[in-house]
Amino acid sequence: QQQVKQSPQSLIVQKGGISIINCAYENTAFDYFPWYQQFPGKGPALLIAIRPDVSEKKEGRFTISFNKSAKQFSLHIMDSQPGDSATYFCAASPYNTDKLIFGTGTRLQVFP
Amino acid sequence: AAGVIQSPRHLIKEKRETATLKCYPIPRHDTVYWYQQGPGQDPQFLISFYEKMQSDKGSIPDRFSAQQFSDYHSELNMSSLELGDSALYFCASSYRSAGYEQYFGPGTRLTVT
Repeated sequence: QQQVKQSPQSLIVQKGGISIINCAYENTAFDYFPWYQQFPGKGPALLIAIRPDVSEKKEGRFTISFNKSAKQFSLHIMDSQPGDSATYFCAASPYNTDKLIFGTGTRLQVFP
Repeated sequence: AAGVIQSPRHLIKEKRETATLKCYPIPRHDTVYWYQQGPGQDPQFLISFYEKMQSDKGSIPDRFSAQQFSDYHSELNMSSLELGDSALYFCASSYRSAGYEQYFGPGTRLTVT
């Protein structure tokens, strides 16, 4: 059973557009929500992360929106660039544990 | 900035053999994590160590064991390898007092034939 559900599975966006990836969870014990970017054959790279006491966090072109009551969070990539083409994973970590539980990933392709 | 170092980067083993993967965390990081990522799948948490003690355990097979040494590097030992163990194995590290941010290494690609 996938504890963190991610959608869409794949996403095609034109250069300059906004990419939006959504995640949902059930476990209310999750208290840390990071997003990772992964290129083929490489390790996941931490992009941005949020905690449940904040509804939005922005770092450069990347924004996390967090809806605690709906148990959903999303990643917005503004002004998407071809170099953003990668697989994006949302993740969640339960309170007082070390583990990250990942979503199933979204393959983003940005075309010029 | 220094990153997580993993060795070897590629490893080919036969069924029933043993493999040892090594991880060198970012300097001053005190926590090490191991993840397994199958082809086209999301990373799955295996095990973690904080200050050389096991701190959390996930879906790690009994055939696998791991430890963290006094210099904070970690090793994942895998015995009786099976075809299904073929995957990318990532190590991540963090500095617990600074928060939960986990920084991943480049991974070791293990192929079992």
